[in-house]
Amino acid sequence: DTAVSQTPKYLVTQMGNDKSIKCEQNLGHDTMYWYKQDSKKFLKIMFSYNNKELIINETVPNRFSPKSPDKAHLNLHINSLELGDSAVYFCASSHQGARTEAFFGQGTRLTVV
Amino acid sequence: SQQGEEDPQALSIQEGENATMNCSYKTSINNLQWYRQNSGRGLVHLILIRSNEREKHSGRLRVTLDTSKKSSSLLITASRAADTASYFCATDASGANSKLTFGKGITLSVRP
Repeated sequence: DTAVSQTPKYLVTQMGNDKSIKCEQNLGHDTMYWYKQDSKKFLKIMFSYNNKELIINETVPNRFSPKSPDKAHLNLHINSLELGDSAVYFCASSHQGARTEAFFGQGTRLTVV
Repeated sequence: SQQGEEDPQALSIQEGENATMNCSYKTSINNLQWYRQNSGRGLVHLILIRSNEREKHSGRLRVTLDTSKKSSSLLITASRAADTASYFCATDASGANSKLTFGKGITLSVRP
């Protein structure tokens, strides 16, 4: 019973393509996040949703569009992929934002060629 | 901007030794959290310490927090080869939209 699951685990695609990453949590949490981890392992928050509403958007290019159809799901759609988008993307969830521990998915390794 | 800064960046110790990792941050916080990441995996929460707490224990882990110095330390006692991983501190800054800001991480290698 995976708490936070994201798919796919690996994604290899060409520049200019559009791709989506899906995330689901079964923990009943009210907050979900997308983080980007670069090749140096630096983790940067991209988006945060609370009860389906966007509350944090950290100067991410407009090509990235999150969508939260319900509290348990937060998907990430990326348009016109660029080489620099190559990274590992993590979905996470928590209860009451950063006041409590976050649970992370296993990550999606995106490679743009 | 990055909130937490861990040091050292890399640490290599022998099994059975203790490992101490430090984290410094810049602004007031609500809490500070430590996470572990094994190679190719997601982050796993280890411990959360609130701004009004000074020390917490969990098994072989001991975390301290000094808000006057804006620093925290994570001590792993009697290390095992399975402790080999990257360790991150993350802060929930006071007053900000509730979000965790991570440091760059420390790579710990425990030699059998």
